[in-house]
Amino acid sequence: TQLLEQSPQFLSIQEGENLTVYCNSSSVFSSLQWYRQEPGEGPVLLVTVVTGGEVKKLKRLTFQFGDARKDSSLHITAAQPGDTGLYLCAGVEGNTPLVFGKGTRLSVIA
Amino acid sequence: ETGVTQTPRHLVMGMTNKKSLKCEQHLGHNAMYWYKQSAKKPLELMFVYSLEERVENNSVPSRFSPECPNSSHLFLHLHTLQPEDSALYLCASSQEVMNRYRDRFFHMYEQFFGPGTRLTVL
Repeated sequence: TQLLEQSPQFLSIQEGENLTVYCNSSSVFSSLQWYRQEPGEGPVLLVTVVTGGEVKKLKRLTFQFGDARKDSSLHITAAQPGDTGLYLCAGVEGNTPLVFGKGTRLSVIA
Repeated sequence: ETGVTQTPRHLVMGMTNKKSLKCEQHLGHNAMYWYKQSAKKPLELMFVYSLEERVENNSVPSRFSPECPNSSHLFLHLHTLQPEDSALYLCASSQEVMNRYRDRFFHMYEQFFGPGTRLTVL
């Protein structure tokens, strides 16, 4: 069974601070996706990383896929209240459906 | 309407009721999914339909019955539910594609989610 462990589970920070959240597995994934889910809404895809060691930037968000394609991180620079939400990572391997982690619940306080 | 829509957004039902959740996608995708999202648990995949054919059924109790009449619509019929079935039920769609990378083919499941139905079973 493929499992994705996300840490920390909860994170509360002040506006302007930087933060990193992690997504780890003992399994290898062919690609990994990050989603953000806001209260009362479904998850929305932020990025897909495919290549081991790949780094993708989306404005203040930086996503990295581990060299061995088993882990990923999301770094947010100068967090804003609009970044508040549940961050989910999801792994793809072969023909199996997405495997989701439990998520990191981020709260950015103004 | 755009994206993925779900109705109703909120549902309260008794254990003896029968109700249905509806999902519609306006993205031209060929796969649709039902997920259950409970507190402190990862998103749980319930059912997958690809080209209107059910391809995945993750040991879901028979009190949940999916229906996919065409590639744009997905239903989840509910009957004799239990209080522990209370959760957010999310529908998603995706376009299943084979992406060739370094001579390996794999699926890219970039999923588009609806807003969910918040279900409470009394």
